[in-house]
Amino acid sequence: QVQLQESGPGLVKPSQTLSLTCTVSGDSINSAHYYWNWIRQPAGKGLEWVGRTHTSGSTYNPSLKSRVTISVDTSKNQFSLKLNSVTAADTAVYYCASLGTFSIWGQGTMVTVSS
Amino acid sequence: QTVVTQEPSLTVSPGGTVTLTCASSTGAVTNAYYPNWFQQKPGQAPRALIYSTSNKYSWTPARFSGSLLGGKAALTLSGVQPEDEADYYCLLYYGGAQGVFGGGTKVTVL
Repeated sequence: QVQLQESGPGLVKPSQTLSLTCTVSGDSINSAHYYWNWIRQPAGKGLEWVGRTHTSGSTYNPSLKSRVTISVDTSKNQFSLKLNSVTAADTAVYYCASLGTFSIWGQGTMVTVSS
Repeated sequence: QTVVTQEPSLTVSPGGTVTLTCASSTGAVTNAYYPNWFQQKPGQAPRALIYSTSNKYSWTPARFSGSLLGGKAALTLSGVQPEDEADYYCLLYYGGAQGVFGGGTKVTVL
């Protein structure tokens, strides 16, 4: 059974880089079955798709594209999110997830942007 | 900027039927948008219900069904149960790769 677990700092200062990691257990991150996504949700608001990566490449939310990178570390079976130049508007619960045919979600991790 | 629109809220009686819709600002939603539907209860991570318009997961209750309806993606709940009270989100893919979530529909069972 495939499971996902997010990890990373819960507090990031404005203008710095938010870095999160999602550890995949139960299958290879290289499997073409999976599209690995990052999704976020500000408190009391809806879901926002941040981006995804797959063996065929990565795509990003156009509103975040200039600040976001999603990459894969096959040696650790992890994929990661980096979001540059953060502001308070980036404060949210961040989820890693596989979507589509194989849908698996992490439990989410709260990230607060504050000095 | 692409906008995906859902009803903000809907109320349904126990045992009743309710249909949630998901519209795209770019025009009619088709299977090429691979509509996905998710359920989220307070304090929980979202749970997928439907992928690629109408495909269910092993855990999706039979009373949930997905379809295309009048140029929109639709999620129908038939024989609604109290535990179906939740927020529901649709997700559409543009160009097959770029996802956009709808704003969500709060379903109240009353």
